[in-house]
Amino acid sequence: DAKTTQPDSMESTEGETVHLPCSHATISGNEYIYWYRQVPLQGPEYVTHGLQQNTTNSMAFLAIASDRKSSTLILPHVSLRDAAVYHCILRASSNTNKVVFGTGTRLQVLP
Amino acid sequence: AQTIHQWPVAEIKAVGSPLSLGCTIKGKSSPNLYWYWQATGGTLQQLFYSITVGQVESVVQLNLSASRPKDDQFILSTEKLLLSHSGFYLCATGQPNERLFFGHGTKLSVL
Repeated sequence: DAKTTQPDSMESTEGETVHLPCSHATISGNEYIYWYRQVPLQGPEYVTHGLQQNTTNSMAFLAIASDRKSSTLILPHVSLRDAAVYHCILRASSNTNKVVFGTGTRLQVLP
Repeated sequence: AQTIHQWPVAEIKAVGSPLSLGCTIKGKSSPNLYWYWQATGGTLQQLFYSITVGQVESVVQLNLSASRPKDDQFILSTEKLLLSHSGFYLCATGQPNERLFFGHGTKLSVL
């Protein structure tokens, strides 16, 4: 079972900044928070990940709560190409090979 | 840089017929490999993973089997397809402390 909870869907308009929330109340100390996005009939694409500190890259900013029980993926100035299902998953740094995806958040971007 | 090649890109098969899907990883030695399945509009379900040649662990039973005949190859198969096997199959690689890289996937239609 997925250990994260995300809203089923969100809607935005081109040029806006989008905040995608993820709840992971039972996160363990050695679990990283990973974000992927997927469009139909393609494999998920890595977006970003973090452990405790906020992180930023060319795609997004990841804000992690101080208690690590939630995180928010922030997409600045979204375009139509950012429309996808965004998955928030947990992955331990130890040797575990079961990676569980939930339903994710379907982001719709309007022109 | 590692690359993942999946074959075939798409298959249309009859119920009761056999199936073999392949995945080859280049650019990384001794990769951890994963098979995922996604029904149309559904969530990604991990089916199998393998950390070494000849060793495969099942995560979800869907009347499918997997094999790791070579270090860089992962095969998904069944002798008798069911209608419920239709969907999108994805191969992925990634160590427990690294991001997952996914292939482009195989779309399977069982009629």
